[in-house]
Amino acid sequence: EADIYQTPRYLVIGTGKKITLECSQTMGHDKMYWYQQDPGMELHLIHYSYGVNSTEKGDLSSESTVSRIRTEHFPLTLESARPSHTSQYLCASSRREHNYEQYFGPGTRLTVT
Amino acid sequence: QKEVEQDPGPLSVPEGAIVSLNCTYSNSAFQYFMWYRQYSRKGPELLMYTYSSGNKEDGRFTAQVDKSSKYISLFIRDSQPSDSATYLCAMRNAGNMLTFGGGTRLMVKP
Repeated sequence: EADIYQTPRYLVIGTGKKITLECSQTMGHDKMYWYQQDPGMELHLIHYSYGVNSTEKGDLSSESTVSRIRTEHFPLTLESARPSHTSQYLCASSRREHNYEQYFGPGTRLTVT
Repeated sequence: QKEVEQDPGPLSVPEGAIVSLNCTYSNSAFQYFMWYRQYSRKGPELLMYTYSSGNKEDGRFTAQVDKSSKYISLFIRDSQPSDSATYLCAMRNAGNMLTFGGGTRLMVKP
């Protein structure tokens, strides 16, 4: 079954810690995305990738970094977590030519204390 | 001013009602118009998309785009409790990135 996975689903961590949010998809999609979503607010694009070794910053400035070494894997890393990073992070993927149809993972809810 | 505006709700309706969800936008370059549904503690899933102006129907759902008024709508007929979710409109411009509305929370009461 084709799907997109995110781990962990929930994470509570102290200020200053390094964290990596994992995202994997089994659909063979070229394009992958990371969005940030606060309750009742819009999804904001923070990173995207057109394929292996391609990464771009999105509209929302973020202190996180991403990598795309394999087609199916698009992890997001925060080197030093801060309370302002508390949010829901959603990973998505799409075919290159049909990016209006994005498939989303269940999200990681991050709380930085 | 936000590029895409959406009433956050919540919108509460009885089962069987017709629901109208709406978004307005300011960027005339938007070409694709989407509606995503997001259940609690889940990621959004695509419901429908339309290209340019017009109507599109899929079962109980109808998407409508009026580019002259920069206004899009999603109608749900015979609403069911399982339709209770947050509905996000999204739009794509020539740069191929999506801009999302803030979502409208819908509650359908049995």
